Amino acid sequence: GAGVSQSPRYKVAKRGQDVALRCDPISGHVSLFWYQQALGQGPEFLTYFQNEAQLDKSGLPSDRFFAERPEGSVSTLKIQRTQQEDSAVYLCASSLGRTGYQETQYFGPGTRLLVL
Amino acid sequence: EDQVTQSPEALRLQEGESSSLNCSYTVSGLRGLFWYRQDPGKGPEFLFTLYSAGEEKEKERLKATLTKKESFLHITAPKPEDSATYLCAVQAMNTGFQKLVFGTGTRLLVSP
Repeated sequence: GAGVSQSPRYKVAKRGQDVALRCDPISGHVSLFWYQQALGQGPEFLTYFQNEAQLDKSGLPSDRFFAERPEGSVSTLKIQRTQQEDSAVYLCASSLGRTGYQETQYFGPGTRLLVL
Repeated sequence: EDQVTQSPEALRLQEGESSSLNCSYTVSGLRGLFWYRQDPGKGPEFLFTLYSAGEEKEKERLKATLTKKESFLHITAPKPEDSATYLCAVQAMNTGFQKLVFGTGTRLLVSP
C-alpha cells in the first residue's frame, strides 16, 4: 500500500518568506509526527497529533513554526518569516494506533528546505 | 534528559567483513528502542523494535540486541547494498507522549 507522502520534496525560500509543507500519512493512521533533521544529524521531534488534536508541540523551536491537522488526516507544517537556521529536512511520520507507544513510526521521504 | 549516543560515527567495511554498530542510551524508563536505516535523500526506513533487555531480532544479515544500557546492530557478511546511515532511537516513559529521541547515526560504507 501507499506509504507516507510529503510535498514539496524540495523548497527554496528567501529569508523572510513563509513556507507550507504538506504530509499525507498512511491511510487509517491515527498518530502523526513531524521531525526536523539537520545535515549530518538524527531527526529531532517537533510536534505530535492524535487525529486532529495536537497533543505535543514541545519541540517546535519558535512561535514561527505552526502545525495543523484539521480533519485528522493531512497535516501542514507552516514556517513563518523563514530564517537561514530553518534550513533542514522536515520529516513526517505516522503510526497506527491511539497510544503510539511502542508502535512503529513510518517516515515519509522528507521535504528539504533551503533558506537563502 | 534522555540521550542516545551512536558509535562509530562512520564505518568502512569490505564486503563480507562482519562488524557491529553501538547505540548507548540514557533514559528514565525505556518503552522501546528502534533501529532505522536511512539512505541519502530518503526518509528513515524501519528495521527493528526492541522492548526489553535480552531481546534479539534478526532480519537477513542484520541482528539487533538490547541490554539495559545499550543496543548493538550486528551486520554479518555485509554487501555493498547495506551501505546507509543506521539510526537508533528510544521512546522513553517520561518523554512527551510518543516522540522518538534519535542518535546522530552511524554512516556505513561497504566496499565490494
